[in-house]
Amino acid sequence: KAGVTQTPRYLIKTRGQQVTLSCSPISGHRSVSWYQQTPGQGLQFLFEYFSETQRNKGNFPGRFSGRQFSNSRSEMNVSTLELGDSALYLCASSLERTGGDEQYFGPGTRLTVT
Amino acid sequence: KQEVTQIPAALSVPEGENLVLNCSFTDSAIYNLQWFRQDPGKGLTSLLLIQSSQREQTSGRLNASLDKSSGRSTLYIAASQPGDSATYLCAGIGNQFYFGTGTSLTVIP
Repeated sequence: KAGVTQTPRYLIKTRGQQVTLSCSPISGHRSVSWYQQTPGQGLQFLFEYFSETQRNKGNFPGRFSGRQFSNSRSEMNVSTLELGDSALYLCASSLERTGGDEQYFGPGTRLTVT
Repeated sequence: KQEVTQIPAALSVPEGENLVLNCSFTDSAIYNLQWFRQDPGKGLTSLLLIQSSQREQTSGRLNASLDKSSGRSTLYIAASQPGDSATYLCAGIGNQFYFGTGTSLTVIP
């Protein structure tokens, strides 16, 4: 069974631009969560989607948004990029609900904002 | 707000040693706890998930325990190998995952 895939793996953007990252969960998994990882803040929860609905949201500004499609694939979007948005963005999928089921992570997208 | 602390932040041991990584959380309102490893520049690999009804889980040379009353979890690695070198993260699971800052482990051949 294929694991969680994320595209692109690496991305370089300029301040003020916007970016869209994609995540394909493990087949059959309906929950997708997104995280931001930086050296200073560690892993921080962005949001979780389940059955195309945002179920939970972390403490990030509105520039960070996401969505989930009917096939459970998810995208996250960051608008008006700032230098501080440079990070590794990880998505994770689980069968039904975050916490109730084991979570499996993708390899991440490394975003660099210049 | 849930805070998850991992001690030590870094650890260097000779190959073959048994070691213990610690994870503590401030809010006992978590119901599961999951341990991960992360290799440099990579995503997270799930090691063990301890559900609220369990007190420990074992997989090969790894054993993880959870004591919700004291807000602590430990990951025990037996007979460490150089391939175990990685950052180990624990995550308390409530309505979301709350990650610790990790323990960077180096196993010296």
